[in-house]
Amino acid sequence: QQQVKQSPQSLIVQKGGISIINCAYENTAFDYFPWYQQFPGKGPALLIAIRPDVSEKKEGRFTISFNKSAKQFSLHIMDSQPGDSATYICAARRDSNYQLIWGAGTKLIIKP
Amino acid sequence: DAGITQSPRHKVTETGTPVTLRCHQTENHRYMYWYRQDPGHGLRLIHYSYGVKDTDKGEVSDGYSVSRSKTEDFLLTLESATSSQTSVYFCATDSPGTALEQYFGPGTRLTVT
Repeated sequence: QQQVKQSPQSLIVQKGGISIINCAYENTAFDYFPWYQQFPGKGPALLIAIRPDVSEKKEGRFTISFNKSAKQFSLHIMDSQPGDSATYICAARRDSNYQLIWGAGTKLIIKP
Repeated sequence: DAGITQSPRHKVTETGTPVTLRCHQTENHRYMYWYRQDPGHGLRLIHYSYGVKDTDKGEVSDGYSVSRSKTEDFLLTLESATSSQTSVYFCATDSPGTALEQYFGPGTRLTVT
């Protein structure tokens, strides 16, 4: 119930294409769903986050889509660029429990 | 890296030796965390602290201990390093109640030979 399952493990996308990474959870008490971006040799950094009261949140080329009934959320990167090449990690959290539950991460490579 | 430093950044040590990693923050965040990150496993929580001298275990705490004597410092000790503890270690901080974002340090790459 505490797991967050992330797929795919790795993804190669052509420059200009759409990158899609998916996460699924079981615990319906989760109410905060962030995506972190991690470049090689660096710590993860918050990219975008969503609460379950909305189905979509967009920030520039990055969009989170949230499906409460399916208990799934996904990250879409539009017009993917080589600079987007990084590891993307989804997570989930309850307000009353201060631990983030992490997905295993997706290594994204954007080919020029 | 939001005012979080880790030292050392790289360390090679031998099996059986004790190792201490240090995390220092200038954000005055109440919560601090130690994670390890391994291919195929993602981020796994080792220990966390919810205040000075208040710590608790995470999912992979065996073989590790922590101490927090000041708000800004959180130490992770490998009591007797083993090859299975070769990993990248990240410190993170946050302040529940004000923001849910967790801030990460730059990481320490530890190799146990």
